[in-house]
Amino acid sequence: GESVGLHLPTLSVQEGDNSIINCAYSNSASDYFIWYKQESGKGPQFIIDIRSNMDKRQGQRVTVLLNKTVKHLSLQIAATQPGDSAVYFCAENTGGFKTIFGAGTRLFVKA
Amino acid sequence: DAGVIQSPRHEVTEMGQEVTLRCKPISGHDYLFWYRQTMMRGLELLIYFNNNVPIDDSGMPEDRFSAKMPNASFSTLKIQPSEPRDSAVYFCASSPKHRASGNTIYFGEGSWLTVV
Repeated sequence: GESVGLHLPTLSVQEGDNSIINCAYSNSASDYFIWYKQESGKGPQFIIDIRSNMDKRQGQRVTVLLNKTVKHLSLQIAATQPGDSAVYFCAENTGGFKTIFGAGTRLFVKA
Repeated sequence: DAGVIQSPRHEVTEMGQEVTLRCKPISGHDYLFWYRQTMMRGLELLIYFNNNVPIDDSGMPEDRFSAKMPNASFSTLKIQPSEPRDSAVYFCASSPKHRASGNTIYFGEGSWLTVV
């Protein structure tokens, strides 16, 4: 799955609300998935990961859901804060260390 | 830990010039990656190394691009000659060896290249 990022999908949420960012991955052989957050002018930063033998994993204020049947990932952010405003990427890995990134979703948090 | 360190952070160069981007991975990480990010194509993996050896360079766009890793603490990505379409943010990233911890990769702040 080569990523194409001409127009990033955008999600706008009110501060305090929950956010759900969705991602469709391309390779049914992928066995490891990661969500990254990229703030303006910075490199992507790891948020949370999940292996293909799981369908849900929770972190601090974040939850990742994996649906292998339809090759879909979601990232849920609870009580979204202004500091959560960024571009969020899902990434897939088919073993080894070759990680392929999705196109990204821009999250705007309105105060 | 200082994280992945890249230089230069910003570079503006003229078409035809040679560009060299530098990276120092996180100490102890066995894997090093070079990514390119553009609005059109998003984040693309160019090449990655394991223990200083190039493993997969299928993402390198053409022969004008080359990458080296002479030792565990240093890598370069070179573009010669540079073209305006090479303008992008180039990220270096590194990852530890242990599969048990997942293949999480840690990115540097990026080198913002503009070729005019």
